[in-house]
Amino acid sequence: EPEVTQTPSHQVTQMGQEVILRCVPISNHLYFYWYRQILGQKVEFLVSFYNNEISEKSEIFDDQFSVERPDGSNFTLKIRSTKLEDSAMYFCASTGTANSPLHFGNGTRLTVT
Amino acid sequence: AQSVTQPDIHITVSEGASLELRCNYSYGATPYLFWYVQSPGQGLQLLLKYFSGDTLVQGIKGFEAEFKRSQSSFNLRKPSVHWSDAAEYFCAVGDTGRRALTFGSGTRLQVQP
Repeated sequence: EPEVTQTPSHQVTQMGQEVILRCVPISNHLYFYWYRQILGQKVEFLVSFYNNEISEKSEIFDDQFSVERPDGSNFTLKIRSTKLEDSAMYFCASTGTANSPLHFGNGTRLTVT
Repeated sequence: AQSVTQPDIHITVSEGASLELRCNYSYGATPYLFWYVQSPGQGLQLLLKYFSGDTLVQGIKGFEAEFKRSQSSFNLRKPSVHWSDAAEYFCAVGDTGRRALTFGSGTRLQVQP
């Protein structure tokens, strides 16, 4: 069964550094998402992306965050200047239609020191 | 605003016993409801979903859930739990207009031999 793949599985970065989290959604999917889960807390929506633009974003997704689909297969989340509180598991998800459930990747654990 | 409540943070059951995980939601219209499971270090795997129609939905791994509009609930059940079911379970709500899912805080299931 096709999967959403995320790299790296674990990223450690220093506060203030830029970090890019990468995702390869399922190949025929059209809707892409980023969620995050701070340790011990609930999964939170960050942003959705469709037709090469952001379709919705949460209040968490401020100017420090950006997303891009640089080619036909990758979907990236960039954090411009990381803060300690950005430490979390970041999940990418994709779906083929608006009514289909999301397929999640295994996540990237981001640790900001 | 939509919200999801999972009242049980942690549940322990014996292997072979039945299981019910509770989920209550707050939502203005007919919601799309989901149950996801997260094993340690893994992503979120969809167990089942409710969009419309039959209020009792069957999912993978022998799980089922029942949508009860009058109680705003979507409880997850399994008649006989296996040790491999130990994981964290998340209930989520969404709609077609906003594809951002709202997750509950999760229920951690422990299975005793």
